[in-house]
Formats: sequence, structure tokens, C-alpha cells
Amino acid sequence: AQTVTQSQPEMSVQEAETVTLSCTYDTSENNYYLFWYKQPPSRQMILVIRQEAYKQQNATENRFSVNFQKAAKSFSLKISDSQLGDTAMYFCAFMKLDGTYKYIFGTGTRLKVLA
Amino acid sequence: DSGVTQTPKHLITATGQRVTLRCSPRSGDLSVYWYQQSLDQGLQFLIQYYNGEERAKGNILERFSAQQFPDLHSELNLSSLELGDSALYFCASSVSGTSYEQYFGPGTRLTVT
Repeated sequence: AQTVTQSQPEMSVQEAETVTLSCTYDTSENNYYLFWYKQPPSRQMILVIRQEAYKQQNATENRFSVNFQKAAKSFSLKISDSQLGDTAMYFCAFMKLDGTYKYIFGTGTRLKVLA
Repeated sequence: DSGVTQTPKHLITATGQRVTLRCSPRSGDLSVYWYQQSLDQGLQFLIQYYNGEERAKGNILERFSAQQFPDLHSELNLSSLELGDSALYFCASSVSGTSYEQYFGPGTRLTVT
């Protein structure tokens, strides 16, 4: 069974600085998708970025980028120029392409951006 | 706004009771997923429906059941409630079984007292 591990329960970063959140996963699959979701205090789940395993190029979305290391089964999220609005729980999610497309989530990293 | 709606927003009930949570997917989305998020935990997959049919099951308790109706809305039924069932229940939808992005509703917070 697939597992997703986020080893940093909490992190903090100064406003305008850069922070990297870690995620590792375990799978024997070759094709899958990886996602980072943000959950602010409102509890809404917001998609931050996604990565297709067959793509070597790392995904980027404005200030958010990933470092996808397929062989190492690592999928870290880098947030540049951190803003107060980035304060949230961040969840890494794995999706196997098995016809169900359900997500397997990590336990999350609570990120606090300090003014 | 993801376009996925969930009702009610909050629900407070007593142990042993039964509740129904409702989810309306985005217009055109055929797949509905239910997830449970206990306090400060990650989301756990419960069950998926695709166009009215059950597609996948996660660690869903036997006391829980779900269905998807012809208009594609879905209901999650929780019975014989226990204190440990207190959680945030999310519904998500996607266009089809081959869509890789799920859109999440705002969740229903269930408190069992």
C-alpha cells in the first residue's frame, strides 16, 4: 500500500523568506500524480500545485515550486517570498492511476509565516 | 469557491444517533469522494462514487454508508455515532475517473457529544 510521510509537523518562516516543506512517499507504481494542498484556518482545501510522475520537469506555480526526485520518492514544496497569507496546514497527496484516483494524504505540516 | 457544496456546515449530535451529510458536486462532475479529517490529522479516504456506482472503498466503518443519486449528489450516512466520529468530513468531486484533480467542498464539521 502507498504511504505518504511529512516529517515536519510544524515550521515557521519570516515574511519574504523562502521555506521548503518535505514529503516522501512509498510506492511501486511508475505512473502517479503528486499534489500539495493548502488548508488555511477556514479549513477549505486549496490545490497549490501538482506534478505528474512521468514529467521530469518540476512544476511551478508563481511563488510555489516543487523538487520532484522520482528515484528518491521525494516531493518537496518550496515557497518563495513567503506571505502572511501562506500561513496554513500543507498536505502532500499521492494519487495512483488505478481507475479510482483517490488521494492518499500525508499528516500535514503546519506552516506559520511571521511578520 | 470550488463549486462543491456541502450541507450542513456544522452538526452537533449525541452518541448513538444517526446523521446524514450531503454533497453536491461541481456541475458536470461524475465522481464524488468522501474523506474524514480527525483533529489535526491528514484526510483519510472513505469512499468514492462514480456516476451512481461505488468505485472504491477506503477504511470506512460498517456503521457508515454512502450513495450517489441520479442527479449526482451524494449522501454520507453515519449511524450509531461514537465520540471518535467527531471530525471534519470533506466531499470532493472530479470530472471523471480519469481526471486527476479533485475539487473539495468546505466540509461538514461533526461533533458527537
